[in-house]
Order: sequence, then structure tokens, then C-alpha cells
Amino acid sequence: EAGVAQSPRYKIIEKRQSVAFWCNPISGHATLYWYQQILGQGPKLLIQFQNNGVVDDSQLPKDRFSAERLKGVDSTLKIQPAKLEDSAVYLCASSNAGTPTYFGPGTRLTVT
Amino acid sequence: GDSVTQMEGPVTLSEEAFLTINCTYTATGYPSLFWYVQYPGEGLQLLLKATKADDKGSNKGFEATYRKETTSFHLEKGSVQVSDSAVYFCALSENTGGFKTIFGAGTRLFVKA
Repeated sequence: EAGVAQSPRYKIIEKRQSVAFWCNPISGHATLYWYQQILGQGPKLLIQFQNNGVVDDSQLPKDRFSAERLKGVDSTLKIQPAKLEDSAVYLCASSNAGTPTYFGPGTRLTVT
Repeated sequence: GDSVTQMEGPVTLSEEAFLTINCTYTATGYPSLFWYVQYPGEGLQLLLKATKADDKGSNKGFEATYRKETTSFHLEKGSVQVSDSAVYFCALSENTGGFKTIFGAGTRLFVKA
């Protein structure tokens, strides 16, 4: 079975610019997660979707981050405008089991 | 709030050595506990899990026992291999109106031949 796909794998932008990440979960997985992993730390949940509805976005900085999962399949995460502290790896995961089971390779974002 | 604390790394072992990576947790209820592994250049993978007290999760020679009395879930392997070199993350998940998974900071393991 195909894994969780993410693109791009790497992105370098200047602060105040905008950026978007894309995730395609494993086929049939109802739950999709976006995590932020800062170097040396564990992943931190940004947003969790169940089909195309938001289950938890309590740690999403809503003044600059947004995410959508139209049609309950793939998802995009956007940052606008980016700050230096947004430099991190953004991980997408999917599951049908209540907890994230399969993770994508991540997008490494560098904000300069 | 809920939290997970792991031993700091890096941990460096010789091949065939015994591995223990300590993990303790704080939770308000009765969480499920997990170990994830991230091999170099790859995404996180679920390694093993335990859903209630005294359960033992195991996979690929790794095992961990859910100890409610000590709020711990230590990862062990009897004989490590070079291919086990990776970052290991302990995590908990609790149903608080929806499952929320919280990760520890990760422990990097280096295994020397």
C-alpha cells in the first residue's frame, strides 16, 4: 500500500512570505494530522481532521496558520506570513485507529 | 496537562548490547502508550503500543511494559543491531473528547559495529 505523501520535501522562504504544504494520506484513512517538529523536540499536533471536519486545532496559531481538507482526502497547510520560529519539519500523518499510525517523510521549512 | 518525559540522548551502544530507553508520563486518565521510531531519512513509524496497565507491547525484538504504578513505559531490546540506530519517541494518547497524541522529545540511539 502506498504511504503518506507530502510535498515539497524542502522549502526555504524569507520571513513574511507565505508557504503551503500538501499531504495525501493513505487511501481510506479518515483521520489526518498535521504536526510541527522543531529540531530536538517531539512532534506537536497542529490540527487533526476527521474526514473533512476539524477535531482539534487548539495548538494551531490561527493568526498565521490555516489548513483545509476538502473532500476528506488530501490536505493543505498554509503559513502566511511566516516567522523565523516557524522553521521546522511539518509532518502529516493518517490513521483509522484513533492515533497517528503512518507518517509522511515531512517537509523541512527554513525561514530566513 | 498530559506530558511525556524521555531520557536524554544520544545513547551510544555497541552491537549486541542491551538497550533501555526510559519513558515516564503524566496523564489525568488512563492513556494508551506508544513507541515510535524514526530511521535516518524516513518518516516516523509506530513501533509498538500498550493500551492498559500491565500490557506488554512488542515488535522487532523491542518491548515495553505499561507500568501504571510508576507511570512508566520503558523501551528495551536484548541485543541491538547497527540497523536499530534511529530516534525513538515515546508517546501517549488519551480520549478527551477526541484522541490527542502527545510525544516526548525523542532519544537518539547510535549502535556501533
